[in-house]
Amino acid sequence: DIQMTQSPSTLSASVGDSVTITCRASQGISTWVAWHQQKSGKAPKLLIYKASTLESGVPSRFSGSGSGTEFTLTISSLQPDDFATYYCQQYNTYHWTFGQGTKVEI
Amino acid sequence: EVQLVESGGDLVKPGGSLRLSCVVSGYAFKTAWMSWVRQAPGKGLEWVGRIKSEINGGTTDYAAPVKGRFNISRDDAENTLYLQMNSLKTEDTAVYYCCTDSYFWGRGTLVTVSS
Repeated sequence: DIQMTQSPSTLSASVGDSVTITCRASQGISTWVAWHQQKSGKAPKLLIYKASTLESGVPSRFSGSGSGTEFTLTISSLQPDDFATYYCQQYNTYHWTFGQGTKVEI
Repeated sequence: EVQLVESGGDLVKPGGSLRLSCVVSGYAFKTAWMSWVRQAPGKGLEWVGRIKSEINGGTTDYAAPVKGRFNISRDDAENTLYLQMNSLKTEDTAVYYCCTDSYFWGRGTLVTVSS
């Protein structure tokens, strides 16, 4: 299975900061990457698919980029509602795999 | 509005069985490829398996840790996805989410495997 290595595991930031989360795939996966946000005790929520396409209704401060093996999620001007855990996920193969998650905390 | 509602989670002993259900509304279930994803307490997301739509053959794929023990099925007439879990192990303890191919998620149902 394709491994997704996500970093950092924890990120401390303040409201208004710009933050970047990185995900590295163990082999090339084109742009078949999604990013999900999960708040404590809640289901994940899709933010971005196909590496850079913003899901409908997701604020434009979220952006994704990358292709091949390197991918990033950037949150510009962090808002209080953004403190959560973020997961990258590849769907290049039928066997989805997720990164380990990045907890964005104050 | 798309809604996915899982049910069936419970406390079960190691070696036991359990069947989870996921009822889907507001979505084209019949043509959707559906997945189960789980999350152990305090851990990350882990894909469990998928079932294709019947028009695409209705075939299934499973993650290695559950292959041979878990079985995914669907009832398109009832817009319902199932996960039959057999020979359960303590490491199967998790919240189980159903998920559509375009990443609508249910709220999850908790399965606890413990003696």
